[in-house]
Amino acid sequence: KQEVTQIPAALSVPEGENLVLNCSFTDSAIYNLQWFRQDPGKGLTSLLLIQSSQREQTSGRLNASLDKSSGRSTLYIAASQPGDSATYLCAINAGGTSYGKLTFGQGTILTVHP
Amino acid sequence: GAVVSQHPSRVICKSGTSVKIECRSLDFQATTMFWYRQFPKKSLMLMATSNEGSKATYEQGVEKDKFLINHASLTLSTLTVTSAHPEDSSFYICSARLAGKSNEQFFGPGTRLTVL
Repeated sequence: KQEVTQIPAALSVPEGENLVLNCSFTDSAIYNLQWFRQDPGKGLTSLLLIQSSQREQTSGRLNASLDKSSGRSTLYIAASQPGDSATYLCAINAGGTSYGKLTFGQGTILTVHP
Repeated sequence: GAVVSQHPSRVICKSGTSVKIECRSLDFQATTMFWYRQFPKKSLMLMATSNEGSKATYEQGVEKDKFLINHASLTLSTLTVTSAHPEDSSFYICSARLAGKSNEQFFGPGTRLTVL
């Protein structure tokens, strides 16, 4: 059974800092990995999706990497802003008979203070 | 990006009543939608996979007779919580899979259910 762990559980940084959020998973046989953002009481916003054959994806100030062999993904946020404050979730799509089913980590609560 | 809506956003009901939550893909067709629930300060747990025109597939431990799912069209899936009880109070979120484009999933804004 796939298990997804995110470290740290919470992170507080001053505005302008570059930061890294970590996601690890136990089963490297994945189809793809997605990073999401969730604001309090809201749904999820997809940030980046990395296919199993890819090593990284970039969107603006965000860069996500994937190392399947070690079961790790990182989300890099450059020049953080207070508007980046949210919970960040990574999710694994195992593919195969579980295709489309996402297994989520518990999230990292990010606070960026001015 | 693709947009998914949910209705209602919030609902408060009495114990024993049934509540229906709608999930719509607004600008794309979704043959597959997923229903999740999220408890406070917890991550999302998949409840069931909803396939258009066929029966939903439920995850282990989820009562199919309590959480009725109907996926009658390519843009609409509904979740009905039957005979709701306070322990069913939760945040329910649906997602829709955009087939053919990285198979990315797009999430609705969620429905906050409170059962008194």
